[in-house]
Amino acid sequence: QVQLKETGPGLVQPTQTLSITCTVSGFSLTSYYMQWVRQTPGKGLEWMGFIRSGGSTEYNSEFKSRLSISRDTSKNQVFLKMNSLKTEDTGVYYCARDMDAWGQGASVTVSS
Amino acid sequence: DIQMTQSPPSLSASLGDKVTITCQASQNINKYIAWYQQKPGKAPRLLIRYTSTLESGTPSRFSGSGSGRDYSFSISNVESEDIASYYCLQYDNLPLTFGSGTKLEIK
Repeated sequence: QVQLKETGPGLVQPTQTLSITCTVSGFSLTSYYMQWVRQTPGKGLEWMGFIRSGGSTEYNSEFKSRLSISRDTSKNQVFLKMNSLKTEDTGVYYCARDMDAWGQGASVTVSS
Repeated sequence: DIQMTQSPPSLSASLGDKVTITCQASQNINKYIAWYQQKPGKAPRLLIRYTSTLESGTPSRFSGSGSGRDYSFSISNVESEDIASYYCLQYDNLPLTFGSGTKLEIK
């Protein structure tokens, strides 16, 4: 059974770094692209980037300067790190396998 | 970046109606469009990929069509469980881009 679950901090202060882990089961990270998508009140659904099955990455230029996606295949985990957070980054962050299977989302609030 | 113009923003339908949502891309996306359903508090669920290919488990009352820049998504015989927001996604070019969504309500 394919499962994805995001875990994150919930609350992050402005200018700080957001770190979210996506833990997967039921498939191999070396066989699928893993995407990060966020949903914010201001911009709706936004594709942030992905890590390919081979490990290379692509980012939305909207985030490129402050976003990093990586993985640990031995732990079946994918990581999102984004620095210099602003209040507009408040939203729900999803990891997704390719396009078809999504995690429940990690709600993030950026506030002091 | 490819812009996806989705309309209408909201839709009110009676049970059993047929409804149609459209997405127009700012350039040809070669049929690389997917449609998602999202219920409140839940992640988007993929219903259709590559314009018209239904995902496993997607009821046959959902359908998609289109080509070039213009695409549509329809629900025939709307049921109460279809109350949700619907989004298109183009995946022809990076960055992937979503439409702004359509909220379906029942009259």
